Amino acid sequence: GENVEQHPSTLSVQEGDSAVIKCTYSDSASNYFPWYKQELGKRPQLIIDIRSNVGEKKDQRIAVTLNKTAKHFSLHITETQPEDSAVYFCAARPVSGGYNKLIFGAGTRLAVHP
Amino acid sequence: DAMVIQNPRYQVTQFGKPVTLSCSQTLNHNVMYWYQQKSSQAPKLLFHYYDKDFNNEADTPDNFQSRRPNTSFCFLDIRSPGLGDAAMYLCATSRPRDTQYFGPGTRLTVL
Repeated sequence: GENVEQHPSTLSVQEGDSAVIKCTYSDSASNYFPWYKQELGKRPQLIIDIRSNVGEKKDQRIAVTLNKTAKHFSLHITETQPEDSAVYFCAARPVSGGYNKLIFGAGTRLAVHP
Repeated sequence: DAMVIQNPRYQVTQFGKPVTLSCSQTLNHNVMYWYQQKSSQAPKLLFHYYDKDFNNEADTPDNFQSRRPNTSFCFLDIRSPGLGDAAMYLCATSRPRDTQYFGPGTRLTVL
């Protein structure tokens, strides 16, 4: 079945450093790749997404890159701040389920230290 | 943020006592999803509705059922909760083939 692998599972950085989280997906027909941020006890919130016809997308300090040939995509956070500390989930939308389902990675716990 | 609403936010039930969780949306989205999320894990899709079309995941236990009486509301019924069903239950909605938006979740405790 479809699978999304996410690395690393935990990431610790100093404030101001960059953070990179990587994901690999199995279904080559996947066409949409969102990233969600989840703070403790709260809902997952969409922070950025990318569609399969785009290679890179940026929104202020956050960027996502997609390599369709290698079937991997990455989240880049620059100038990290303590409020970036959270669990980040990548996801891919495969063809199964009529492109209505998401397959989530296992999550990355990011800690930004002042 | 109040566009996907879940009630109650916290639910305590006893082992084996049926419980119903509620989700409503003001976005008029066709698709509604129920996820189970246990501590430090990714959300796990239980099932989803595309309008009235119900789609069950193969590994969702029979103990979990769902109803969608209209576009705005969707319910998750747990017929006989076990200790292993204690989790956060997240509802999400989307337009077809579009971004999913999550509700705040219901944290279920089973005593």
